Amino acid sequence: KAGVTQTPRYLIKTRGQQVTLSCSPISGHRSVSWYQQTPGQGLQFLFEYFSETQRNKGNFPGRFSGRQFSNSRSEMNVSTLELGDSALYLCASAPGLPMGYYNEQFFGPGTRLTVL
Amino acid sequence: QKEVEQDPGPLSVPEGAIVSLNCTYSNSAFQYFMWYRQYSRKGPELLMYTYSSGNKEDGRFTAQVDKSSKYISLFIRDSQPSDSATYLCAMSAGDDKIIFGKGTRLHILP
Repeated sequence: KAGVTQTPRYLIKTRGQQVTLSCSPISGHRSVSWYQQTPGQGLQFLFEYFSETQRNKGNFPGRFSGRQFSNSRSEMNVSTLELGDSALYLCASAPGLPMGYYNEQFFGPGTRLTVL
Repeated sequence: QKEVEQDPGPLSVPEGAIVSLNCTYSNSAFQYFMWYRQYSRKGPELLMYTYSSGNKEDGRFTAQVDKSSKYISLFIRDSQPSDSATYLCAMSAGDDKIIFGKGTRLHILP
């Protein structure tokens, strides 16, 4: 069974640009969560999708957005990139809502975004 | 006070030693506790999952939860160089939100 895949794995952008990251969950998983990981702040929750609906959003500005498609694949978009957006962006998938599947949430390898 | 506190390390121990990793938390509503291991350039992988208080053992790993002290621990017995990684604690109150510690970097010295 294939794991969570994220594309691209590495990305370099300049300030002011926008970026779209993609996450393909494990087959059969319907929940996708996105996290930002930085050395200073650790893993911070961005948003969570279940059945194409955003259920929760973390404390991030509106420049960060996402969506989920009918096949459960998800994308996140960051507009008007800032230097501080440089981070590892991780997505995690679970069979259902995270509240019922804490022990079945699997992370992808992440997308390393560098903003110059 | 942050919801979850975790010493960032690095923690260096000789091969074969017992490793103790810890997190403290402030939210008494947390009931679900997880430990993740993250190797460099990889995503976190779930190591241990515990509901409520008590101990759970899986091979060389033991997770302990003390809800009265708001303190959780992960013990690694007979540590190996392959255990060198960042260990993240995580917890939830049973809603959709999972709060992570910042992680402890562990180095096992051969």
